[in-house]
Amino acid sequence: KQEVTQIPAALSVPEGENLVLNCSFTDSAIYNLQWFRQDPGKGLTSLLLIQSSQREQTSGRLNASLDKSSGRSTLYIAASQPGDSATYLCAVEDDYKLSFGAGTTVTVRA
Amino acid sequence: DTAVSQTPKYLVTQMGNDKSIKCEQNLGHDTMYWYKQDSKKFLKIMFSYNNKELIINETVPNRFSPKSPDKAHLNLHINSLELGDSAVYFCASSPTHSGNTIYFGEGSWLTVV
Repeated sequence: KQEVTQIPAALSVPEGENLVLNCSFTDSAIYNLQWFRQDPGKGLTSLLLIQSSQREQTSGRLNASLDKSSGRSTLYIAASQPGDSATYLCAVEDDYKLSFGAGTTVTVRA
Repeated sequence: DTAVSQTPKYLVTQMGNDKSIKCEQNLGHDTMYWYKQDSKKFLKIMFSYNNKELIINETVPNRFSPKSPDKAHLNLHINSLELGDSAVYFCASSPTHSGNTIYFGEGSWLTVV
């Protein structure tokens, strides 16, 4: 059974600092890994999808890396802004379904 | 236009009642899902349908019955509601059943009293 862990559970940084969010998973036989953002009272918004054959994906200030063999992914957010405050969820796909971590709640202080 | 829309957004009901949550996607996707987010914020898949066919049923009690009248709709009917059913239920869709970005609705907050 796939288990996904996200550390830390919460993070508070001053505006402008770079964010580093970690995700680990127990079974490396995955199809892909996705990072999502969840705002309070809202659904999930997909940020990045990394296929199992890829090492990283970038979108604007976001960069996600994937080390499948060690079961790890890292999401980097450069030059954080107050608008980046949200919960970030990591999910891995295997066997046609996503397994989610519990998320990292980020607060960016102005 | 909202890509994945679900109704109602909030639902408060008594134990033992039967309720339904509706979901529609206008993205032309083949696959739709129901996920449950519990009080500890863990998201878990409940069901997955591909072109109206059930492909995942993740050990969900029989009181939960999904129905997909066409590939743009996936409704969730819950019989004999229990206190433990209180959660946020998310509908989602993706182009196919594997390897794609998944698009989520905004959630339906169910409270059973």
